[in-house]
Amino acid sequence: EIVLTQSPGTLSLSPGERATLSCRASQSVSSNFLTWYQQKPGQAPRLLIYGASSRATGIPDRFSGRGSGTDFTLTISRLEPEDFAVYYCQQSDGSPPMFTFGQGTKLEI
Amino acid sequence: QVQLQESGPGLVKPAGTLSLTCAVSGASMSRNNWWSWVRQSPGKGLEWIGQIHPSGNTNYNPSLRSRVTMSIDTDTSKSQFSLKLNSVTAADTAVYYCAREYCSAERCYMSFDYWGQGILVTVSS
Repeated sequence: EIVLTQSPGTLSLSPGERATLSCRASQSVSSNFLTWYQQKPGQAPRLLIYGASSRATGIPDRFSGRGSGTDFTLTISRLEPEDFAVYYCQQSDGSPPMFTFGQGTKLEI
Repeated sequence: QVQLQESGPGLVKPAGTLSLTCAVSGASMSRNNWWSWVRQSPGKGLEWIGQIHPSGNTNYNPSLRSRVTMSIDTDTSKSQFSLKLNSVTAADTAVYYCAREYCSAERCYMSFDYWGQGILVTVSS
């Protein structure tokens, strides 16, 4: 099973700043199947980025994803107050498929 | 607008069976999307339980496979899929989400684009 490790665990920033979140896999992950979600308290996760770098419908362009192999990054270029939340990466692999999530990065003010 | 809604008992006794249903509206379940269950507990974070295709094919998390059964009803009058998890323990206490795999016109991405709001299931006597 591929293990995803996210860092940092908590990131403290201010509105207007740039946020860089990391997701590292225990073995190589297909970029096609690396996903980022945002989750706010009491809500389900929200799809942000799929295929490592493609923004989901309705996601602002301040969110961007990149990476390949074992190292992936989610960047929020200029933080808005509504961006403070927990962010998860997720990967899928194998046949039959197996989905795994990172432990999350909490982005706080 | 695609909507998913989980339903089922919020309290299950140890050694019993957890049974949940996800009602789907605004989307045809006869397309090629897979439909998944994901749970979230404070101790284990987000955990994928398994998925089901409109054909009835399933894939389960190996760690839960011996206890999980999923089924699907694609009849447009009753678009829903279900989860059964047997022999539950306190470790199965979690918020359970149903979710749809995201597929573009060309392919599917093994990401989840629509989620239910989640249902808290507590395992306790």
